Amino acid sequence: QVQLQESGPGLVKPSQTVSLTCTVSGDSISSGTYFWNWIRQPAGKGLEWIGRIYTTGRTNYNPSLKSRVTISGDTSKNQFSLKLTSVTAADTAVYYCAREVAAITGFFDWWGQGALVTVSS
Amino acid sequence: QTVVTQEPSFSVSPGGTVILTCGLSSGSVSTANYPGWYQQSPGQAPRTLIYSTNTRSSGVPDRFSGSILGNKAALTITGAQADDECDYYCVLYMGSGIYVFGTGTKVTVL
Repeated sequence: QVQLQESGPGLVKPSQTVSLTCTVSGDSISSGTYFWNWIRQPAGKGLEWIGRIYTTGRTNYNPSLKSRVTISGDTSKNQFSLKLTSVTAADTAVYYCAREVAAITGFFDWWGQGALVTVSS
Repeated sequence: QTVVTQEPSFSVSPGGTVILTCGLSSGSVSTANYPGWYQQSPGQAPRTLIYSTNTRSSGVPDRFSGSILGNKAALTITGAQADDECDYYCVLYMGSGIYVFGTGTKVTVL
């Protein structure tokens, strides 16, 4: 069974950079069968797609976040990561990683449980 | 900026039917947007219900169905049950590898 587990600092100060990691078990991020996504949700609000990475390293980003986001993969650790720069209180959210079936557009079949990131001084 | 709109809330009686919709701020939703639907209970990660407009994910009861109604994507819940009381989100593919989630609908069963 596939499992995705997010990890991150929990608390970060405004203007700093937050880095989150998604550790994948039960599958390989280098398999070529999936995209690996980041999605976030501020408390009491809706979901926001952040971006994704494919096996080849190809990435796609939400245009509204593109200037501040980098998604990368580490096949040796079977992890992929999100880096978000110049954070503000508006970036406070639960961050989810999710697997997307590459052959089926829009099918996010497995999700992590989420990691809360709070931006506060 | 593209906005994907959903009804903020809906109430349905147990055993009743409710249709949630997912529209675009400009333009129509079509199968080319590969509409998907996700169910989320409080404090939980989203659960996939429907992908590619009308394909149910594994284990999803057949009382959940997806379609295109007019210029919107739709999720129909037939025979609503108490544990269907959740938030529901649609997601649309906008091309060039970009997705946009809808604003979400809170469904109450009473």
